[in-house]
Amino acid sequence: AQKITQTQPGMFVQEKEAVTLDCTYDTSDPSYGLFWYKQPSSGEMIFLIYQGSYDQQNATEGRYSLNFQKARKSANLVISASQLGDSAMYFCAMREWNTGNQFYFGTGTSLTVIP
Amino acid sequence: GAGVSQSPSNKVTEKGKDVELRCDPISGHTALYWYRQRLGQGLEFLIYFQGNSAPDKSGLPSDRFSAERTGESVSTLTIQRTQQEDSAVYLCASSSRGRETQYFGPGTRLLVL
Repeated sequence: AQKITQTQPGMFVQEKEAVTLDCTYDTSDPSYGLFWYKQPSSGEMIFLIYQGSYDQQNATEGRYSLNFQKARKSANLVISASQLGDSAMYFCAMREWNTGNQFYFGTGTSLTVIP
Repeated sequence: GAGVSQSPSNKVTEKGKDVELRCDPISGHTALYWYRQRLGQGLEFLIYFQGNSAPDKSGLPSDRFSAERTGESVSTLTIQRTQQEDSAVYLCASSSRGRETQYFGPGTRLLVL
């Protein structure tokens, strides 16, 4: 089974609107971390937001928030007030703290912000 | 330096040649990861270094791939007898204790002709 699943290969959003990028994960490790990264066309991977499995509240970082639904094993990224510069690939990732050293990445979602 | 640096930024080589890619992690970061990203795809874990512990090589795709790191400093990823399927962006990332987020370098774009 895939550790990280991103089912939206491409998404469009109108500038200034909010958008949700989906991510589901699969793990039996009770201790894990969930990450979102942005990869613009230039190629660098930019860390956006982190959620720990024991965190009681959803993580927020500026216009980014992580909708963490532990029972559903989902960790959706919400971008509020989209900007043209948000157009990029977005990757969801997971690290299992008790099981090996790998970060597992999803296949990514390409977000296009329309003016 | 302020961030993770990688060199070269681009590398074109002929099939069968060896290549060496370099990663300078953020100073003080004990953990270092190498990933491969083929065009239009996600990141594929290759290898992980944590301090002076034995590296986790479970992601290396074949024995043509190897990596070294001395202490908590520079790492080199070596691909021997390159094949066309090795063409990809090779990304390096470091983190402070292996439990926190990774910070990525700009990558090395490798093209094997």
